[in-house]
Amino acid sequence: DTGVSQDPRHKITKRGQNVTFRCDPISEHNRLYWYRQTLGQGPEFLTYFQNEAQLEKSRLLSDRFSAERPKGSFSTLEIQRTEQGDSAMYLCASSLGPDRVGPEQFFGPGTRLTVL
Amino acid sequence: AQSVAQPEDQVNVAEGNPLTVKCTYSVSGNPYLFWYVQYPNRGLQFLLKYITGDNLVKGSYGFEAEFNKSQTSFHLKKPSALVSDSALYFCAVRDMDSNYQLIWGAGTKLIIKP
Repeated sequence: DTGVSQDPRHKITKRGQNVTFRCDPISEHNRLYWYRQTLGQGPEFLTYFQNEAQLEKSRLLSDRFSAERPKGSFSTLEIQRTEQGDSAMYLCASSLGPDRVGPEQFFGPGTRLTVL
Repeated sequence: AQSVAQPEDQVNVAEGNPLTVKCTYSVSGNPYLFWYVQYPNRGLQFLLKYITGDNLVKGSYGFEAEFNKSQTSFHLKKPSALVSDSALYFCAVRDMDSNYQLIWGAGTKLIIKP
């Protein structure tokens, strides 16, 4: 399977714990995006990488959230001191540039986080 | 402010009938519009996009969308619905103040009944 993969698919944690999610994009894709999705809502943008550079970060993103893409391939999203409000599906997507319009994004299956 | 609205939380259609899932938008300048579909336990999948040109855009799985500038709409359509089309559909528009961010609608649940 050459699509976007995410690990783990499900994560249950206790409030206050740190969690880390991994995303492996389609291999030739230089752009990578993280989103959060809650039930009944569309995806909410978190952050965007072009190669290893983090070019955009949502103003809504708390300092507890950090993302990296150290070699321009896979990416990790870490949430420190989790809160119950962090419970959501975390989606990763990748795309191939350049495309001024905004190329179609290929999404992974998501990581469902439950904070108890 | 830029936004996307999907006015229907759920659309019910009988198999074989035509379907329409509605989307309206508000952006400054020319819009770049997208439709994605989300099946249960699967990631979002790209269906189609409008950039410029022909107002009728054809996409995957027999879907098409009609861009209407005067009504600021981009409705998703299919001439004959299949039960397997049952899923959650999202409309999105490029955020013109950002690099490649998409602004997403809240989604419409499409249910096709046999």
